[in-house]
Amino acid sequence: AQSVTQLDSQVPVFEEAPVELRCNYSSSVSVYLFWYVQYPNQGLQLLLKYLSGSTLVKGINGFEAEFNKSQTSFHLRKPSVHISDTAEYFCAVSDRSGSSNTGKLIFGQGTTLQVKP
Amino acid sequence: DTGVSQNPRHKITKRGQNVTFRCDPISEHNRLYWYRQTLGQGPEFLTYFQNEAQLEKSRLLSDRFSAERPKGSFSTLEIQRTEQGDSAMYLCASSLGLAIYEQYFGPGTRLTVT
Repeated sequence: AQSVTQLDSQVPVFEEAPVELRCNYSSSVSVYLFWYVQYPNQGLQLLLKYLSGSTLVKGINGFEAEFNKSQTSFHLRKPSVHISDTAEYFCAVSDRSGSSNTGKLIFGQGTTLQVKP
Repeated sequence: DTGVSQNPRHKITKRGQNVTFRCDPISEHNRLYWYRQTLGQGPEFLTYFQNEAQLEKSRLLSDRFSAERPKGSFSTLEIQRTEQGDSAMYLCASSLGLAIYEQYFGPGTRLTVT
């Protein structure tokens, strides 16, 4: 079984400042890793994903994340945030083993990013 | 490509009533997922279809819940004898074949049970 822990429920930050949203996961098998963003009254949108290869992955809207296998972490970063980045951010994992490869996502509790002017 | 659509967007019902939600995936997406999201939490997996076959159900999906995907196109999620604990956002997502890890989410149906 897998689980995901997002270490901060809320992250307030001023506009144009850098931000890091932390995500740790637990799994007995190898996983794929994702970050999704949810704007108010909207569905989830994929920001970026790690499937294999380079541990630094770049996504949409200037976000990037780094996979750290030894620390079982997948922290999301942006060097300079905008007011429009205010939203709920979810880290998720999916089992990559072939026998149970349904693609279902296990999500963390979410982190609210509040960008202040 | 109009994206994943869900109807209704909001549903208020009284405890004990039955409700049905509909999800229309992106055309030609053969995989369809249902998730439930309660306030302040991340989405939780409920069930998954590949074409018309329901291949996995979560323990969260009690016998009051049933999902179908006739002909492998749209899907319905029915909740019978609703309880207040069923109040949540119900999210649908779809994906295409080999790119199964690219799930596209609909806007959700918010259910309030009074």
